[in-house]
Amino acid sequence: AQSVTQLGSHVSVSEGALVLLRCNYSSSVPPYLFWYVQYPNQGLQLLLKYTSAATLVKGINGFEAEFKKSETSFHLTKPSAHMSDAAEYFCAVSDAGGSYIPTFGRGTSLIVHP
Amino acid sequence: DTGVSQDPRHKITKRGQNVTFRCDPISEHNRLYWYRQTLGQGPEFLTYFQNEAQLEKSRLLSDRFSAERPKGSFSTLEIQRTEQGDSAMYLCASSSGGQGATDTQYFGPGTRLTVL
Repeated sequence: AQSVTQLGSHVSVSEGALVLLRCNYSSSVPPYLFWYVQYPNQGLQLLLKYTSAATLVKGINGFEAEFKKSETSFHLTKPSAHMSDAAEYFCAVSDAGGSYIPTFGRGTSLIVHP
Repeated sequence: DTGVSQDPRHKITKRGQNVTFRCDPISEHNRLYWYRQTLGQGPEFLTYFQNEAQLEKSRLLSDRFSAERPKGSFSTLEIQRTEQGDSAMYLCASSSGGQGATDTQYFGPGTRLTVL
């Protein structure tokens, strides 16, 4: 079985500060990992995904995430927060065994203060 | 590419009524997924189609739920005899299927169901 845990249901940062959203996964096989963003009243949009190539993955809007097998983590970072980054962020895992169905975490709400 | 669309965006119904939602995927995407999302939770998988074939169903999908994808294009999700616990956002997503488990899923805006 696969699962993800997102630490912190809410993260609050000041505009221009570092953004760090935490995700730890559990998987019995090599995982594929995803970060999605959901803006109010919109569907989820893929930010980036790890597919066992490079461990440091760069995504859209200046976000990146690093796969750390020893820590079973896939934390999302952005060097400088912008007001437009305020949204709900979801980490998801699917396994390399062939299932097409990702398992999502509960989400982290990012709040950006001016 | 007009994106994934869902209709209606909002539905309010009384307990015991039947409701049907529609999803139009990105054209030529052969995989289509349905998820349910409740407040404070991530999307939970309900079912998925490859073309017109329904390949997987979650145990969350009770007998009151049925989904179809005739001709492998749009899909409908019907809930019969709705219950208050069915109140949620119902999300549809599609993918091309070309990358297997790493396929990028494109999500629609969702249908918010409120059961009174």
